[in-house]
Amino acid sequence: AQKITQTQPGMFVQEKEAVTLDCTYDTSDQSYGLFWYKQPSSGEMIFLIYQGSYDEQNATEGRYSLNFQKARKSANLVISASQLGDSAMYFCAMREGADSNYQLIWGAGTKLIIKP
Amino acid sequence: GAGVSQSPSNKVTEKGKDVELRCDPISGHTALYWYRQSLGQGLEFLIYFQGNSAPDKSGLPSDRFSAERTGGSVSTLTIQRTQQEDSAVYLCASSLAGTSGTEQFFGPGTRLTVL
Repeated sequence: AQKITQTQPGMFVQEKEAVTLDCTYDTSDQSYGLFWYKQPSSGEMIFLIYQGSYDEQNATEGRYSLNFQKARKSANLVISASQLGDSAMYFCAMREGADSNYQLIWGAGTKLIIKP
Repeated sequence: GAGVSQSPSNKVTEKGKDVELRCDPISGHTALYWYRQSLGQGLEFLIYFQGNSAPDKSGLPSDRFSAERTGGSVSTLTIQRTQQEDSAVYLCASSLAGTSGTEQFFGPGTRLTVL
């Protein structure tokens, strides 16, 4: 079974609109972390935002916020006031457990294209 | 300060040859990870080093793949007898001590093409 599911392979959004990128996860661990990364066409992976499983507040970082719904096991990324520079691949990733193995498990990504 | 660096940035090799990919993590980062990204796909975990602990090799796809980390810093990923399906971008990342919530900082990757 997929641990991280991103159901939107691609999205087109008008500049200045808000956009929500979907991510659902599957884990039996009580302690885990959820990450979003951006990968522009240049290839580098850029960290955007993190949400811990015990965090009660939704994480926010500037124009990025994470809509964390623990019971539904979803961690959607919301980008407010989208900009042309937001065009990129976006990956949701999860780290399971509080210790030992800290590898990230990755979704397949969503390609976001912002239209002028 | 300098970020994670990787070399070479591109490597083209013939099937059956061995290749070595290098990663220089951020100074002071004790955790180092190797991932593989095939075209249009997410990242696939390969191996994880944390300080002086034995590495987690659970993601290595076959015994042709190996990695070492010397002196707790630079890491080399070696692929022996390369196959065409090994073609991918190999990404290295580092982070502070492997505690939950610590982001991983990625290098620019090495694009490996096996002909």
